[in-house]
Formats: sequence, structure tokens, C-alpha cells
Amino acid sequence: ILNVEQSPQSLHVQEGDSTNFTCSFPSSNFYALHWYRWETAKSPEALFVMTLNGDEKKKGRISATLNTKEGYSYLYIKGSQPEDSATYLCAPTSYDKVIFGPGTSLSVIP
Amino acid sequence: NAGVTQTPKFQVLKTGQSMTLQCAQDMNHNSMYWYRQDPGMGLRLIYYSASEGTTDKGEVPNGYNVSRLNKREFSLRLESAAPSQTSVYFCASSEQGLGGTDTQYFGPGTRLTVL
Repeated sequence: ILNVEQSPQSLHVQEGDSTNFTCSFPSSNFYALHWYRWETAKSPEALFVMTLNGDEKKKGRISATLNTKEGYSYLYIKGSQPEDSATYLCAPTSYDKVIFGPGTSLSVIP
Repeated sequence: NAGVTQTPKFQVLKTGQSMTLQCAQDMNHNSMYWYRQDPGMGLRLIYYSASEGTTDKGEVPNGYNVSRLNKREFSLRLESAAPSQTSVYFCASSEQGLGGTDTQYFGPGTRLTVL
């Protein structure tokens, strides 16, 4: 796993809007895909880990899907709240490597 | 249960000075990691340790050394700091090892500035 891209780099949404962002990664040697949430002045915290093509995980208003064949994962936030403001990192892994993406910075405006 | 702790939180060094960043975890994890985080880039692995007594280079090891003192503690040393080492440093730990489905738990970070 060499190159991990996340888009958009940043976005600003109004409170109550739903939003989604993308993580793209090479599908060769893929093992799992982690999503982490990173609030300002704190440290990254794990949200989800997915392994199978078509996997979908949900935690409250946040959900994620995985397509291992084409090498992407989507993270969705339904009805964004100010407390969702954070940087969201994806981290695909192989058997013995992990590469963190550059992150998508989300700001939710009250 | 403190999780992963790091000291110091902030440090300013002059070029050529040395320092050691300390990290400890109380989750009985086998693996520990040091990352650096620079603007616009993802977390980049400096060194990791899969078990007590073993260390391996990551993506950006040049200019750093590490010691896995025991299962709990993993330190990162800058022997002769350079401005290019200005960054935020994160220590992390995980139950098993690098890769796979293992979730990493991160410390609060150390913000280092090298003048």
C-alpha cells in the first residue's frame, strides 16, 4: 500500500447538513481499512475497521462503506453537529503495514 | 487507566541539541509506534516495536533512534536535532502488530520546534 488519498482536503458544512468524504487506496495487498477521528488538540481515536468488500459499519450518525475491488471507502455523517468537527483519517493496511491518509478536515458551522 | 502518555507536551530545541521523547502505555499492548505529523501529510511512521527488545525502521527513520525499555515504555531520541525535525510527534500502541485489523491507540502528542 503506497498511496492513500482523501478528498476533499477540507470542507465546511452547516449544522444539520449531511456530508460524505472519500478515501482511495491501491487495492493490491489490502487487508483492512481503518477510520480514525482526530479532534483538534487531541489524539486520533478509532472509529471503524472494515475488511470485507461491501462492508458497512455504523456508529450513531456516522457510517462507512468499503469497496476493496476498486480501492475506496466512503465515510458519511448524517445531520452534522458542531461536535463532529474534526479531521477524519483513513488508514488502509496490508498484512504488515499501515499507511495513514492525509485526512479530511470537517468544520460544522452552528 | 491512562492509556498512552507522552512527555513532554512541548519542546523547543536549537539545531544540534539532543533530546528524548518518552512514551508509556498501560494497556499491556505488545506493539508500540512513533509517528510524526506534518501539515498536509498523513501520520508517517518513524520506528516501531513489535515486542520488548525489538525495533524496526518505519518510513522516515533517519535522524532518530528508539529504545523499547520494557513492555510499557518506548522512547524516541533525536541525537542532533535539525529544523526539518520540527513536527508533532505521536506515540501509539496496539495489541498485536503493525497492519491487519489491529487498532492503534494514540498518545496526546509532543509539539517539537527546532530553531
